[in-house]
Amino acid sequence: DQQVKQNSPSLSVQEGRISILNCDYTNSMFDYFLWYKKYPAEGPTFLISISSIKDKNEDGRFTVFLNKSAKHLSLHIVPSQPGDSAVYFCAASGYGQNFVFGPGTRLSVLP
Amino acid sequence: DVKVTQSSRYLVKRTGEKVFLECVQDMDHENMFWYRQDPGLGLRLIYFSYDVKMKEKGDIPEGYSVSREKKERFSLILESASTNQTSMYLCASSRGTGQGIGETQYFGPGTRLLVL
Repeated sequence: DQQVKQNSPSLSVQEGRISILNCDYTNSMFDYFLWYKKYPAEGPTFLISISSIKDKNEDGRFTVFLNKSAKHLSLHIVPSQPGDSAVYFCAASGYGQNFVFGPGTRLSVLP
Repeated sequence: DVKVTQSSRYLVKRTGEKVFLECVQDMDHENMFWYRQDPGLGLRLIYFSYDVKMKEKGDIPEGYSVSREKKERFSLILESASTNQTSMYLCASSRGTGQGIGETQYFGPGTRLLVL
């Protein structure tokens, strides 16, 4: 049973518009969440994080929102650029636990 | 910048061969991890290590072993490669602050292994 779910395997967005990537989790002990971005033939690179004491974290064009009651987080990219085309992984952990990764969402930003 | 390097980008091996995947990090990180990435399954943890000569099983350790003789180096060993071990293997490291292991991990470029 997957503890971290990304129910959209792929997403296409026009350049300049908003991209919204969603992630759901089942373990209520998770209190720290990361988003990674992965280009083909490269390792994942850290993008942005959020801890459970916050409901929003922003870094430039990237914002992560956390809804603890719904066990849901989302990554917003505004405005989307062609260079954002990649696979995005959501990851979650609790204290003393390793990260659990979601299956990823492939984002395509169309020029 | 943290740098995590993996010894090979692509490997082709035959069923039954012993396979070594090497990972080196240059930031004096305490924690190191081996994952495999498969389509639709995301990253799954094989083994991890908090310290030299220390190892812990992850979620899918069967068919794998690891070695950490030096702090900067973490090796993944496939004792007898099988076709279902064809995958992308990713090594990662994290600083290890003693505050729990939920820290940002830095990944290497990955090794794509094909077992024939």
